[in-house]
Amino acid sequence: AQSVTQLGSHVSVSEGALVLLRCNYSSSVPPYLFWYVQYPNQGLQLLLKYTSAATLVKGINGFEAEFKKSETSFHLTKPSAHMSDAAEYFCAVSKDTGRRALTFGSGTRLQVQP
Amino acid sequence: DVKVTQSSRYLVKRTGEKVFLECVQDMDHENMFWYRQDPGLGLRLIYFSYDVKMKEKGDIPEGYSVSREKKERFSLILESASTNQTSMYLCASSRSVSGNTIYFGEGSWLTVV
Repeated sequence: AQSVTQLGSHVSVSEGALVLLRCNYSSSVPPYLFWYVQYPNQGLQLLLKYTSAATLVKGINGFEAEFKKSETSFHLTKPSAHMSDAAEYFCAVSKDTGRRALTFGSGTRLQVQP
Repeated sequence: DVKVTQSSRYLVKRTGEKVFLECVQDMDHENMFWYRQDPGLGLRLIYFSYDVKMKEKGDIPEGYSVSREKKERFSLILESASTNQTSMYLCASSRSVSGNTIYFGEGSWLTVV
């Protein structure tokens, strides 16, 4: 079975500081990996996804993530946080075969301090 | 532009009522999903459908059923609402292609009193 673990339910950074949100996955087959963002009272919006092409994936709003098979990780980073980045972030995994639904992590709420 | 529309943003229902949550997508997607979102638990899959009249149970199907009579519409049904079904419900859709993006609606907040 596939699963996702997000380390840290809450992360707080200062405006302009590095953002690092951690995600580790478990999958018996090569996975597809996703990061979604949810702003207050809204649905989820795709930030970026890994589909077995380049291991460093660039997404919207300056975010990027690196797929590391040896560490089973897919951490999300942004060099410089902006106040508008405050939101909840979800990592998700899907298998290449079988069900095409995503399995989500429990989410990390990012706070950005002025 | 991609659009997944959930008919009700906020609902308050009484225990024991039958509740319908409706979702429509305008992208001709084969797959549609219903997730439930609770604090600290992330999103959990209730049901999904990969074709008209086809459905498959997700991780937490108990107390729910679904209906997909048309490709663009996927309904979630709570046969007899209970207070532990108070939650945010998210509908989503995608093409039936490996690794394809799943698009979400804005969510329906359901409170069962």
